[in-house]
Amino acid sequence: DAGVTQSPTHLIKTRGQQVTLRCSPISGHKSVSWYQQVLGQGPQFIFQYYEKEERGRGNFPDRFSARQFPNYSSELNVNALLLGDSALYLCASSPRGSYGYTFGSGTRLTVV
Amino acid sequence: AQKITQTQPGMFVQEKEAVTLDCTYDTSDQSYGLFWYKQPSSGEMIFLIYQGSYDEQNATEGRYSLNFQKARKSANLVISASQLGDSAMYFCATANAGGTSYGKLTFGQGTILTVHP
Repeated sequence: DAGVTQSPTHLIKTRGQQVTLRCSPISGHKSVSWYQQVLGQGPQFIFQYYEKEERGRGNFPDRFSARQFPNYSSELNVNALLLGDSALYLCASSPRGSYGYTFGSGTRLTVV
Repeated sequence: AQKITQTQPGMFVQEKEAVTLDCTYDTSDQSYGLFWYKQPSSGEMIFLIYQGSYDEQNATEGRYSLNFQKARKSANLVISASQLGDSAMYFCATANAGGTSYGKLTFGQGTILTVHP
């Protein structure tokens, strides 16, 4: 079975631009969570979606938004990019939004 | 609020030896879970082991075991018979089992493990 897939794997954006990151969960998993990992730090929770509803939000500005589609895939959008948004963005899926998270390999975003 | 502290920025171990990675946690939740993840240079977070707060036995998964001391709020990871492929960043994390943050993982800063041949 395919694991959690994220796209793109790498991208470079300019300050002020907008970016959309994509995540496909493991088949049968209904929950998707997003994390931001700045170099040298542990991942920080951004959002969790379960059954297409937002179930949790971390301490991130409104420039960050996300949604989950009927097939349980998810998108993370970041507007008005700042240099500090440069990070590895990780997506994790789980069957019910509870334990049993499986992470993808992440999208490495560089803002210049 | 939950907090994870990993006080060892880097650890070195000889191949085939055992190593302990430290983790202390702080949470006001009665029911919570403790996790260890391995992150190689590729970036993927690989689940290693899980301990529930009400589990009386320490969790074990192959060469990985979790030394859970609830009163001291510690959840150290023990890797036995280290292999060169164990060289990676290791993260301790916790999640509560209820409320609006259900399922949210809180991670520590990580420990870089280097296994020498």
